[in-house]
Amino acid sequence: EIVLTQSPATLSLSPGERATLSCRASQSVSSYLAWYQQKPGQAPRLLIYDASNRATGIPARFSGSGSGTDFTLTISSLEPEDFAVYYCQQRSNWPSTFGQGTRLEIK
Amino acid sequence: QVQLQESGPGLVKPSQTLSLTCTVSGGSISSGGYYWSWIRQHPGKGLEWIGYIYYSGSTYYNPSLKSRVTISVDTSKNQFSLKLSSVTAADTAVYYCARDGGDFNAFDIWGQGTMVTVSS
Repeated sequence: EIVLTQSPATLSLSPGERATLSCRASQSVSSYLAWYQQKPGQAPRLLIYDASNRATGIPARFSGSGSGTDFTLTISSLEPEDFAVYYCQQRSNWPSTFGQGTRLEIK
Repeated sequence: QVQLQESGPGLVKPSQTLSLTCTVSGGSISSGGYYWSWIRQHPGKGLEWIGYIYYSGSTYYNPSLKSRVTISVDTSKNQFSLKLSSVTAADTAVYYCARDGGDFNAFDIWGQGTMVTVSS
C-alpha cells in the first residue's frame, strides 16, 4: 500500500500567518491526492481534491499543489477557525490511505 | 443535499461481530457513480479506510482487515452496512461512513461518526 508521510507533525503559528503543510507519498499518486480538515469531535471535511481543486464552499485562502510524490497544502493567512488537524489522503491505488496528520496549533 | 448517518451498538463484546449501518438521505445509492466507504479512527489517532461498496454490490476491502470485514448494501432502504467479526479492543474506534467519487476523487461527504467500544 502507498504510505503518506506528513510534515511537520505539529505546526505552531499565529492568526494572519501563512501555513505550509507537506505530504509525501511512498510512490507516485499522480494528482489523486486530497486534503481534509478535522476539528475535535467532528468528522473530517474535504478541503482539496485532485491535489489542487478546492471543494465546494472552501475559502480561497486554502490552496493545494504538487503531483507525483510531493504535495503541499497552503493556508495563506490563518483565521482562528483554521486551527485543527489536517490529513492528506491518496485515491490513486486501493487501499486508499491517509497520512498521519499535521496538527496546526495557535502559537 | 446528501447526508449520511451511522447507527449501531456503541458497545460490543470481544470476539463478537460489530455491526453498523449507514443511512443515506437526500440522494440515492442506486444512482451510481459513487463508492460508499467505511473509515475508522482509533482514539486520538489517524484515519484508516476499511472498505467500500458500489451500488451494484461490488466491494473492495483493506487487506489489513479483509478476513474480518463484510460490507453490504440495501438499495431499497438506501443503506449500506459494515460487519467486522472477531473484534478485539484494537477495534475500538470512531467509525465513519463516507461517499467517494462523482466529481471528486475523494471522500466528499461524511457521516458524523459513531464511537464503538469493544469491552466485556
